[in-house]
Amino acid sequence: KAGVTQTPRYLIKTRGQQVTLSCSPISGHRSVSWYQQTPGQGLQFLFEYFSETQRNKGNFPGRFSGRQFSNSRSEMNVSTLELGDSALYLCASSLKGLEPQHFGDGTRLSIL
Amino acid sequence: GDSVTQMEGPVTLSEEAFLTINCTYTATGYPSLFWYVQYPGEGLQLLLKATKADDKGSNKGFEATYRKETTSFHLEKGSVQVSDSAVYFCALSESDDMRFGAGTRLTVKP
Repeated sequence: KAGVTQTPRYLIKTRGQQVTLSCSPISGHRSVSWYQQTPGQGLQFLFEYFSETQRNKGNFPGRFSGRQFSNSRSEMNVSTLELGDSALYLCASSLKGLEPQHFGDGTRLSIL
Repeated sequence: GDSVTQMEGPVTLSEEAFLTINCTYTATGYPSLFWYVQYPGEGLQLLLKATKADDKGSNKGFEATYRKETTSFHLEKGSVQVSDSAVYFCALSESDDMRFGAGTRLTVKP
């Protein structure tokens, strides 16, 4: 069974640009969550999607948005990038709720 | 709101030493508790879980017991190996809300 797949693995952008990250969950999983991981703030919850609807949302500005498609694949978009957005972005999927979650290897985003 | 507090690292041990990583939580109800592990360059992997008081989760020689009276879920292993070097996260889930601790980096030296 294929795991959670995140693309791309690495990304370099400059301030002011926008970026889209992709996550393909484990087959059959309908819940997809996104997290931001930084050395200073640790692992912070961004949002969770279930059946194409945002079900939970963390405390991040509106520049961070996401969506989920009918095949449960999810994308996360960050607009007007700031230096502080440099982080490892992790996607996790689960059958229906938030537990147990299966994580992808992440997308490392660097802002220059 | 719900929160998880785990001991600060880094923790450095010699191979075959005993490991304890402390984790305490604050929750309004009866959460499920988890330990996740993150190896270098990878995402998090579920290590073990417990869903109710006095449950013991175990996997790969690691154990943790859900202690409601002390609101704790400490991770233990009797004899660590170099391959256990990673970052360990304690987490709780309650009412579709998932919270993670800050993570504890463990380095095991041969």
